Amino acid sequence: EVQLVESGGGLVQPGGSLRLSCAASGFTFSTYWMSWVRQAPGKGLEWVANVKEDGTEKYYVDSVKGRFTISRDNAKNSLYLQMNSLRVEDTGVYYCARGGRQQYNCWGQGTLVTVSS
Amino acid sequence: QSVLTQPPSTSGTPGQRVTISCSGSSSNIGSNTVNWYQQLPGTAPKLLIYYDNQRPSGVPDRFSGSKSGTSASLAISGLQSEDEADYYCAAWDDSLNGVVFGGGTKLTVL
Repeated sequence: EVQLVESGGGLVQPGGSLRLSCAASGFTFSTYWMSWVRQAPGKGLEWVANVKEDGTEKYYVDSVKGRFTISRDNAKNSLYLQMNSLRVEDTGVYYCARGGRQQYNCWGQGTLVTVSS
Repeated sequence: QSVLTQPPSTSGTPGQRVTISCSGSSSNIGSNTVNWYQQLPGTAPKLLIYYDNQRPSGVPDRFSGSKSGTSASLAISGLQSEDEADYYCAAWDDSLNGVVFGGGTKLTVL
C-alpha cells in the first residue's frame, strides 16, 4: 500500500524553527518528485515546495524562499522540510504529496504547524 | 488572491449535474495540464482528475474534466450526498515556476 506519513509539526514561536518529515512506503520513492503543500485554517491549498527525484532541482513558493528548505534522503525513503524564521502566516496543516509538476496522486494525512506567541 | 479563479461555492440536488469552473492564464492552464482534487471535510485532498480529463482508477465516471484555452471545468453528474466537499483545480505555472491552486469551491448537496 502506498503511504505517506508526516511528522514534526507542533507549536512554535514566531522566528522559531521546525523540521517536518515525511516517511514514504509502498512505492519506489527515489523515482518520484515529491512536494509539500499547506493549508491555513479554513483556507485553501497552497503549494510550498517540490524536489526532483535525485534532489538536484528544488522549487519554492515566493513567500518561503530563503526561509524553508526542502530535502530528501532516498536511502531512508524520507522527505523533509526545514522551516526557519517562522511567521504567524505559516500556520496550517502541511501535507507531503507524491508528485512535482504534475498530479499529486498520493497525499499524507498532514501535520499541523502552529506559529504563535 | 489565488492565481487560478474558482467560484467560492456551488450547490445542487441529488441526481443533478453541476460544473465548477477554473480560470487561469497562458502561463498555467494555457500551457500545462490541469488537475482536480476533492477534499472531504477533515481529510487530506484526493486526486480526482489529472491531465485535464483523466480519472485515476477508483474515481467514478460521474466525474469528468475538460479544458479550453486558459479555462478548465469539472463536471459532476448524478450528484450524490457524499460528493459534498471542497474541490480545487491546480496547474504548473511557467512564470512562477511552481504549482498554483484555485481558491477552492465548496459543493453543497441540498
